[in-house]
Amino acid sequence: EIVLTQSPGTLSLSPGERATLSCRASQSVSSSYLAWYQQKPGQAPRLLIYGASSRATGIPDRFSGSGSGTDFTLTISRLEPEDFAVYYCQQYGSSLITFGGGTKVEIK
Amino acid sequence: QVTLKESGPVLVKPTETLTLTCTVSGFSLSNARMGVSWIRQPPGKALEWLAHIFSNDEKSYSTSLKSRLTISKDTSKSQVVLTMTNMDPVDTATYYCARIPLRSLRYLDYWGQGTLVTVSS
Repeated sequence: EIVLTQSPGTLSLSPGERATLSCRASQSVSSSYLAWYQQKPGQAPRLLIYGASSRATGIPDRFSGSGSGTDFTLTISRLEPEDFAVYYCQQYGSSLITFGGGTKVEIK
Repeated sequence: QVTLKESGPVLVKPTETLTLTCTVSGFSLSNARMGVSWIRQPPGKALEWLAHIFSNDEKSYSTSLKSRLTISKDTSKSQVVLTMTNMDPVDTATYYCARIPLRSLRYLDYWGQGTLVTVSS
């Protein structure tokens, strides 16, 4: 089973700053099978990125995904007030889906 | 408009079996490209994938919970059912169902609102 490790656990930034979130896999993941989600308190997760770099419908272009192999990154170019939330990466491999432990982006 | 809605008991006792139903609309469970997953989230913790099912009845389960889980579907009712046996207080969580829009990519594009299940005597 592939384990996803997200870092940092918490990211303290101000609106307008750039956020860089990391997701590292315990073994190589096909880029086709890497996704990112945003979750706000009391809400279900929302799909942001699939296939490592494709934005989901309606997602602003300040969100971008990149990476390959075992290292993937979610970048938020300029944080808006509504972007402060928890972010999860997710992979599919060997018939199993796994999620990372999450990164909380909080207001500094 | 795609929607998913979870339903089931709010409270179960330890050792009991949990049965959750996901009722979908806006897409068909007979669509060969699409599937439905169950995911849970204990309070204040991360997401944990549980199982998924596709139209051809292909099923997969979390390695750690496989012995306790069963997923099934009723295409005519647009429902996916998850059962989890031998419930324990550590199984207290919000349980979500979500759609897999493409069998070939296995991401989750639409999620239900979730249902909080508490395990307590």
